[in-house]
Amino acid sequence: DSGVTQTPKHLITATGQRVTLRCSPRSGDLSVYWYQQSLDQGLQFLIQYYNGEERAKGNILERFSAQQFPDLHSELNLSSLELGDSALYFCASSPPSSGTDTQYFGPGTRLTVL
Amino acid sequence: AQSVSQHNHHVILSEAASLELGCNYSYGGTVNLFWYVQYPGQHLQLLLKYFSGDPLVKGIKGFEAEFIKSKFSFNLRKPSVQWSDTAEYFCAVRPMDSSYKLIFGSGTRLLVRP
Repeated sequence: DSGVTQTPKHLITATGQRVTLRCSPRSGDLSVYWYQQSLDQGLQFLIQYYNGEERAKGNILERFSAQQFPDLHSELNLSSLELGDSALYFCASSPPSSGTDTQYFGPGTRLTVL
Repeated sequence: AQSVSQHNHHVILSEAASLELGCNYSYGGTVNLFWYVQYPGQHLQLLLKYFSGDPLVKGIKGFEAEFIKSKFSFNLRKPSVQWSDTAEYFCAVRPMDSSYKLIFGSGTRLLVRP
C-alpha cells in the first residue's frame, strides 16, 4: 500500500458521458500527478499539480481537466467520453522537495466506456 | 522529443534463469531514472531508482540496474528469477527540467515459468 488512494476502483459508463476520478495523495505530499495507461498508448503523463497549482501538462485532451483542492486531494474530470478513453487512470504523489523524489502510485481507476 | 525505449516487449524465462531488461532514453540533460513493476491486477511499485552517485543501484527483491551515461541506458538485471517475478516492468525517466513528470517506456511483460 503506497498511501495514495483513488476512487472509484472501477467505472463503467457510456459514450458522451462525464465522469470524475478522485485521488488522495500520501500524507504530507504536495504534488499530484495523473497518468493514463491504455493498451495502445502505454503509460502516459497527463498533468501535475503542486499545492493547488497546475505545474505541468502532458498528453491531456481538452475534454479532460483536473484540479487540486486546498486539502490536496485531486480530481480528474473526463467529459464527452469516447470509446478510446477506456483505460486505467493512475494518480501518483510525491513529497515537497527540490525534485529528486519518488512518485508513489495509487491503485488506479479502471474506466470502461461502452 | 524525450522518450524511453524498452526493447523487449515480452520475455519468457524459466525459474532460476538470469534476467536483463533493456532501457534507453533520449534526453541530453540530467535525469533521474526509475524501474517500476506492476504485478497482475496491482498498481505500480518502485523497484529501484538512480539519482546520482554509484551507477550500479540495488533495489528490492534482488533486482539491480546499471546506469551507463554514455549509452543513455539503465538496464534492469536479476541473477535468478522466480515465478513470483511474473509482472510488467516499466522503465521511467524524469528529466530534471521544471516539471517532475515521469516519462515511461512501453513496458516489458515478463513471464517466469515454474
